[in-house]
Amino acid sequence: GAVVSQHPSRVICKSGTSVKIECRSLDFQATTMFWYRQFPKQSLMLMATSNEGSKATYEQGVEKDKFLINHASLTLSTLTVASAHPEDSSFYICSARDQDRGLAEAFFGQGTRLTVV
Amino acid sequence: LAKTTQPISMDSYEGQEVNITCSHNNIATNDYITWYQQFPSQGPRFIIQGYKTKVTNEVASLFIPADRKSSTLSLPRVSLSDTAVYYCLVGDIGNFNKFYFGSGTKLNVKP
Repeated sequence: GAVVSQHPSRVICKSGTSVKIECRSLDFQATTMFWYRQFPKQSLMLMATSNEGSKATYEQGVEKDKFLINHASLTLSTLTVASAHPEDSSFYICSARDQDRGLAEAFFGQGTRLTVV
Repeated sequence: LAKTTQPISMDSYEGQEVNITCSHNNIATNDYITWYQQFPSQGPRFIIQGYKTKVTNEVASLFIPADRKSSTLSLPRVSLSDTAVYYCLVGDIGNFNKFYFGSGTKLNVKP
């Protein structure tokens, strides 16, 4: 079945540094991917829609200059947390749908645990 | 966007059938209903998807009444490993499954 892979699975960084998270669709092409953030014991919150070859669209309240999204190819979207601070510590998850499979579910990556110290 | 309402938590025992109901009163004509399972520190995993009536796969059944304003996920004979959060999501799959997650239902399966 379709697989979405994220890298890294876990990252610890110092406050003020930038962190890049990759999301890859391993066996299908995805013109659209989604990025979510999840705080402990909370639900997933949609952050933005990543569009291949064009700008991402952000949900209300999400800072586009802080969460930089690049979808340069049909199999890769990246989320860069710029100048990360402790409040950015969270679980980041991407998802994509295999658009060629018709009535298909969205596949989620395994998530990236970001800890900013 | 169709909002979903689920019970915050449910308890069950091993071997029992569990039914989790989700309300989505303002579901749109093009919306499908999809259920996901999430374990701690993992991404959600697809369980089942349907549009109307009943859908069954190897792990669950999904019951959707004619008015589609609710749906019920049925897990037969749960085990301890089914302890997880279950999310009911409603969305237009033509929109690449852009989902807004509700609170989900934390299912606790006890021995």
